[in-house]
Amino acid sequence: IAGITQAPTSQILAAGRRMTLRCTQDMRHNAMYWYRQDLGLGLRLIHYSNTAGTTGKGEVPDGYSVSRANTDDFPLTLASAVPSQTSVYFCASSEGTPGNEQFFGPGTRLTVL
Amino acid sequence: AQSVSQHNHHVILSEAASLELGCNYSYGGTVNLFWYVQYPGQHLQLLLKYFSGDPLVKGIKGFEAEFIKSKFSFNLRKPSVQWSDTAEYFCAPKAAGNKLTFGGGTRVLVKP
Repeated sequence: IAGITQAPTSQILAAGRRMTLRCTQDMRHNAMYWYRQDLGLGLRLIHYSNTAGTTGKGEVPDGYSVSRANTDDFPLTLASAVPSQTSVYFCASSEGTPGNEQFFGPGTRLTVL
Repeated sequence: AQSVSQHNHHVILSEAASLELGCNYSYGGTVNLFWYVQYPGQHLQLLLKYFSGDPLVKGIKGFEAEFIKSKFSFNLRKPSVQWSDTAEYFCAPKAAGNKLTFGGGTRVLVKP
């Protein structure tokens, strides 16, 4: 059982380019999340999905979009990357509501130049 | 809006020393509380959690945390740290109806 996988592991991207970060979980969790981790700021929620077919905005959603076509996949798209989106991105999932333990993926390190 | 504060950004200590990391949150209602740990180069893992019952919660690797409702605190402790405890630690409260809110993290360096 892999848990949560993310791809790519790291990426360097030119500003203005479009980029999709992939996240797949095999635990059949209903809820999935995208966070960005920045030094001194902890993890900040970008978008979330409580169940397949629904999504919601987190604390820092601007410049990002998500989709949840099925239970397992939760891609995060940067339509036009900017340098301030340089960060480490973590995908997570949990059973049921966000009150339950969240399981995290290995992260994607993204650098926007 | 709920907020969380971790008192120390960096902690350096020697092996066998005791560790206490402070965490305070702002929400006054029912709250679930989590501590996550991120070892160097790894993803976040759950260290321990509090939902209800005994306010002293024991987690993995000898860690424990005490929920003090009157102080809005959920401090993490370990009596005797090891070099392998070098990591970043995140406090994350969750108020009813809200999402997890992560603190800024505390980087702990344990010198061998």
